[in-house]
Amino acid sequence: GAVVSQHPSWVICKSGTSVKIECRSLDFQATTMFWYRQFPKQSLMLMATSNEGSKATYEQGVEKDKFLINHASLTLSTLTVTSAHPEDSSFYICSAHDKTETQYFGPGTRLLVL
Amino acid sequence: GDSVTQMEGPVTLSEEAFLTINCTYTATGYPSLFWYVQYPGEGLQLLLKATKADDKGSNKGFEATYRKETTSFHLEKGSVQVSDSAVYFCALRASGGYNKLIFGAGTRLAVHP
Repeated sequence: GAVVSQHPSWVICKSGTSVKIECRSLDFQATTMFWYRQFPKQSLMLMATSNEGSKATYEQGVEKDKFLINHASLTLSTLTVTSAHPEDSSFYICSAHDKTETQYFGPGTRLLVL
Repeated sequence: GDSVTQMEGPVTLSEEAFLTINCTYTATGYPSLFWYVQYPGEGLQLLLKATKADDKGSNKGFEATYRKETTSFHLEKGSVQVSDSAVYFCALRASGGYNKLIFGAGTRLAVHP
């Protein structure tokens, strides 16, 4: 099946710094990618929909200036957590859908803000 | 709004036991329904799906039937294995051209030898 990768798999940063997470579709082109956040033992919450070549669509309650999304190509979307704080610590997961609109998920990135 | 409700876990079973994980949904229109599985340390993988009422999705011995009258999509397997230990997520994709997935809380399954 289709493969989606994320980098890094985990990151530790100091409060106030910014962190960039990459999401790549390895063997297919994805015009749309999705970013989710997963808290421990909880479900995935959709943060935003990333559209290639246009602005991302954010879910209600998600700060656009806090979570910057760039979808520069058909195989790459990036999520930048700006001025990270401890409450931003979480597991961030991306997904991409292929022509059949089946969503394939990345392995996730664990972020710890100290 | 649309939502998915799953039975709370963890579910603990012995190998070869029968598995049922309940999932019900609330949605307008005719959503597509999915089960995803997340093995330890890995991302979510699509397990099975059903796109219309009475469809049955199946994969790796797991089955789920789209029941519109009861708004349910319960996951079943006749004989679980230790390797089935994982977290299972029920999800829906609303009709209307949007590809957003709405997930249930997830149910952790632990299978013991």
